[in-house]
Amino acid sequence: GQNIDQPTEMTATEGAIVQINCTYQTSGFNGLFWYQQHAGEAPTFLSYNVLDGLEEKGRFSSFLSRSKGYSYLLLKELQMKDSASYLCAVMDSNYQLIWGAGTKLIIKP
Amino acid sequence: TAGITQAPTSQILAAGRSMTLRCTQDMRHNAMYWYRQDLGLGLRLIHYSNTAGTTGKGEVPDGYSVSRANTDDFPLTLASAVPSQTSVYFCASSPGTHTGELFFGEGSRLTVL
Repeated sequence: GQNIDQPTEMTATEGAIVQINCTYQTSGFNGLFWYQQHAGEAPTFLSYNVLDGLEEKGRFSSFLSRSKGYSYLLLKELQMKDSASYLCAVMDSNYQLIWGAGTKLIIKP
Repeated sequence: TAGITQAPTSQILAAGRSMTLRCTQDMRHNAMYWYRQDLGLGLRLIHYSNTAGTTGKGEVPDGYSVSRANTDDFPLTLASAVPSQTSVYFCASSPGTHTGELFFGEGSRLTVL
């Protein structure tokens, strides 16, 4: 079966750095996506990786290793507004998105 | 710009009743999707449409139906609601079928009693 694993919850301190991991087992691979979802709101697209390596976008970076079936989302200089759930999703060989359950990130002052 | 609009925002429904969740987008996107989101689970695809006039079944289609009469609208119908359909429903769209960058509506919270 297809599976996306990510931690259920993480806690970090304002101003610090946090890394949210995602491992996957899917039928084929056509890209890995990270979304942010604030409580009670819609998911919004953050980043996309299809080749191995690091993609940087301001305070957020996303890394992919296809051989290991592994990605992480790195958030730097954490702000209180970064408190949200972070969803990892993989596009399989049929171009269907397979979603992880999300990681709830709690930022403490 | 409105983007993608869902209605209603929330609804309480008696079991056995029918309900249609509305979804409209103004981005002229070809592909549209309906997902449900339940605590502890990832988003699960109910139905999708790659282009106007076509629809397909997702991971959890039972008890739901959709139509895509035009590019902008993609309603989701529950013919006879059951308590297990209590969930938050998200409509989403994308320019094409081979992109994972989806644009989501604000969600419809449905409670079936």
